Amino acid sequence: EAGVAQSPRYKIIEKRQSVAFWCNPISGHATLYWYQQILGQGPKLLIQFQNNGVVDDSQLPKDRFSAERLKGVDSTLKIQPAKLEDSAVYLCASSLEGRESQPQHFGDGTRLSIL
Amino acid sequence: KNQVEQSPQSLIILEGKNCTLQCNYTVSPFSNLRWYKQDTGRGPVSLTIMTFSENTKSNGRYTATLDADTKQSSLHITASQLSDSASYICVVSANSDDMRFGAGTRLTVKP
Repeated sequence: EAGVAQSPRYKIIEKRQSVAFWCNPISGHATLYWYQQILGQGPKLLIQFQNNGVVDDSQLPKDRFSAERLKGVDSTLKIQPAKLEDSAVYLCASSLEGRESQPQHFGDGTRLSIL
Repeated sequence: KNQVEQSPQSLIILEGKNCTLQCNYTVSPFSNLRWYKQDTGRGPVSLTIMTFSENTKSNGRYTATLDADTKQSSLHITASQLSDSASYICVVSANSDDMRFGAGTRLTVKP
């Protein structure tokens, strides 16, 4: 099966600019996650979708971050405006609905560098 | 304070040797514990998932153990290979929608 696709792989922007990331989950996976992974740390959940509804966005900095999952498939994560501390890898993952004991499948992430 | 602590932070071993990585957690109530392997520049890949009733699970040369009483898990790698060089991340779920990630152990296997 095709894996989780993310684009772009790399992005370099200046602070205060805007950026958007795209994720295409595995076909049939109802649950989609966005994570932020700072160098040397484990991933931190930003937002979780179940189909096109938000399940958890408690750690999403809503003053600058937004995400949507139209039609319950692809998702985009946006940062506007970016800050230096946003430099990180942004990982998208998906899993089957009712995923107790189901693994999350991760994409290879987008590495964001803020100048 | 992170509820999932991994040790060591980094580890260097020679090819062919065995090693054990540790994960201690305080997450409660416990639902399941997962080990992921993350190669440099790639997303994490699931190795094992264990629920409360399971105390060991293998995936090839990787064997995970779980002691739910002491809230400890270990990942044992047998006959290490150069391709095992990666970060290994422990993830503990309090319920199906609440996962806590450890910071990972960076393993380097040298020839």
